[in-house]
Amino acid sequence: DGGITQSPKYLFRKEGQNVTLSCEQNLNHDAMYWYRQDPGQGLRLIYYSQIVNDFQKGDIAEGYSVSREKKESFPLTVTSAQKNPTAFYLCASTATGSYNEQFFGPGTRLTVL
Amino acid sequence: AQKVTQAQTEISVVEKEDVTLDCVYETRDTTYYLFWYKQPPSGELVFLIRRNSFDEQNEISGRYSWNFQKSTSSFNFTITASQVVDSAVYFCALSEASRDDKIIFGKGTRLHILP
Repeated sequence: DGGITQSPKYLFRKEGQNVTLSCEQNLNHDAMYWYRQDPGQGLRLIYYSQIVNDFQKGDIAEGYSVSREKKESFPLTVTSAQKNPTAFYLCASTATGSYNEQFFGPGTRLTVL
Repeated sequence: AQKVTQAQTEISVVEKEDVTLDCVYETRDTTYYLFWYKQPPSGELVFLIRRNSFDEQNEISGRYSWNFQKSTSSFNFTITASQVVDSAVYFCALSEASRDDKIIFGKGTRLHILP
């Protein structure tokens, strides 16, 4: 089945540790996105990538980093510089152009203790 | 300024009632797309509909219908004869030509369908 996978579903980390969230897609989509969702809030864009080896900051990129070495993969690292990292993180992908709808993964709930 | 406003934070209705979720957007682009997504308790967002700025025809899909009115910058979503499985958070979203396909989400409306 084609789709987006995110792992793990739940993640716990101690304060001050970096943590990397995985996102893989087999939809052959060029563009991939990372969003953060807090309770009662909409989705806020962290980073996005429209092509391999290229990515741009979204609205709340501070304290996060990404890489896009392969078309299928777009991992997100939450660094110790992120002041409030506890949140639900969603990865999405889309075929570029024509304002196509984004397909979402199941999300990773990160809790920093 | 908030570009996508969903004024209803939370709505509760009894099963089989009709319910309308409001969405008001703001943009200066003439070419844009509007979306609705459903987020069930599992967390994954499910795409429901996309509508471009040049197509104001209303859309109906089963019990779901959407009313797009450019004059009032609104893109409302109605569920007819609601069911418990419709309980979820619903997001309205906007994609503008000037923002490289990036989608701006509203804060969502949490819908409770009571049995």
